[in-house]
This record gives sequence, structure tokens and C-alpha cells, in this order.
Amino acid sequence: ELKVEQNPLFLSMQEGKNYTIYCNYSTTSDRLYWYRQDPGKSLESLFVLLSNGAVKQEGRLMASLDTKARLSTLHITAAVHDLSATYFCAVDLGFNDMRFGAGTRLTVKP
Amino acid sequence: DAGVIQSPRHEVTEMGQEVTLRCKPISGHNSLFWYRQTMMRGLELLIYFNNNVPIDDSGMPEDRFSAKMPNASFSTLKIQPSEPRDSAVYFCASSLVAGAIEAFFGQGTRLTVV
Repeated sequence: ELKVEQNPLFLSMQEGKNYTIYCNYSTTSDRLYWYRQDPGKSLESLFVLLSNGAVKQEGRLMASLDTKARLSTLHITAAVHDLSATYFCAVDLGFNDMRFGAGTRLTVKP
Repeated sequence: DAGVIQSPRHEVTEMGQEVTLRCKPISGHNSLFWYRQTMMRGLELLIYFNNNVPIDDSGMPEDRFSAKMPNASFSTLKIQPSEPRDSAVYFCASSLVAGAIEAFFGQGTRLTVV
């Protein structure tokens, strides 16, 4: 059975701090996505990681993929309140058949 | 492009009634996905289509659920009869399989079955 495990599931941070969200998966895949969801809203694509060792950065967020370890990370640098949201990783099983993790609900406090 | 368009945005129905959710994918995309999101179960893939053909419907919870994609620009997800436990947000997403891009999500339909 495919497992996509994110941790932590809940994360409360102070503004200005750094933290990492982890996404482990149990199947072979070299393609992984990160999405953001604001409360009551749809999912917005953040990053597409297409190969082992891929690293993408956008503002205070940086995502990486290690396909051998079946691990992706989303690193948050100097968090700000606007980053408060739920973050999902999704593993591509092929043909964009994505299986999502449970999500990490991030709250950034002043 | 207007993105993935779903309708209705909200639906409230009585148990036992038929519910039809609609989705218009992004023009040119050849894969379409239906997801269900609940607090308890998170995001679940229900079914996905490639070039209008259902590829994997193993996520469809019961025979009460059915999905169709009669053409490249339209898909429906039908629940008949609906039950209170079907209450959730249903998302449609589309993508281009041959491209190295992610799937784009619609705004979702919030279904409440009372």
C-alpha cells in the first residue's frame, strides 16, 4: 500500500524562525509536487520536483527531492505570517497520478 | 485561460437525492482528476481520466459514485443516492501528461448532504 507521510502535521512557528517539513513516501517515484492550501480555498502549486537532487526555491520556501531516500523537504526560512497555510506534498505515480500526504498545517505567529 | 472551472461551488441536498458535480478542465490538458477532501481522510483521489478514458477508478468509494468524461472539455461526478457521509469538498484538477507540469486545481464544490 502506498504511503505518503508528512511530518509534522501541525506546526506553530514564530515569525523569523526556520523550520523544515518532511515528506516520506513508500514507492518508487522521481516526481514530487508541493502545494499550498489556504483555508476554504483550492490548492495552489508551489514546486515541481522532477528528479533526484532537484532543488527549487521561491522566496522563503525551498523544496528538495531525494528519490533514493524517498524523501522530500520543504524548508521555511525566516517565516512570516503570510506563510500560514496547509502544505501538501504529492507523489506522482506516473501520468500525473498524484497521491497526497495528509498535509502540514502551518501557523506563523508574530 | 480561466483555469479549471467547477460548478456548483456549493451544493446542499437531502439524503437520497442525486447530485451532479461538473468540471471544465484547462483547454489542452489531457488528464483530469477528481479528488475528495475531508477533515478525517484528507485528499483522496477518486478517479482520473487520460484522453477522456478512465484510467484508475479504484478510489471511487461505492457504486453510488460514477464519473464520466464525454469529451475533452467536460467531466461530471455523480452521486446517486447521496448520503450524509458524502459531505466533503470535491476538487477537479487537470494536467498535461506529456509535459513536466503539475496538475491545476479548480476551486472545488462544497457538498453538504443533510
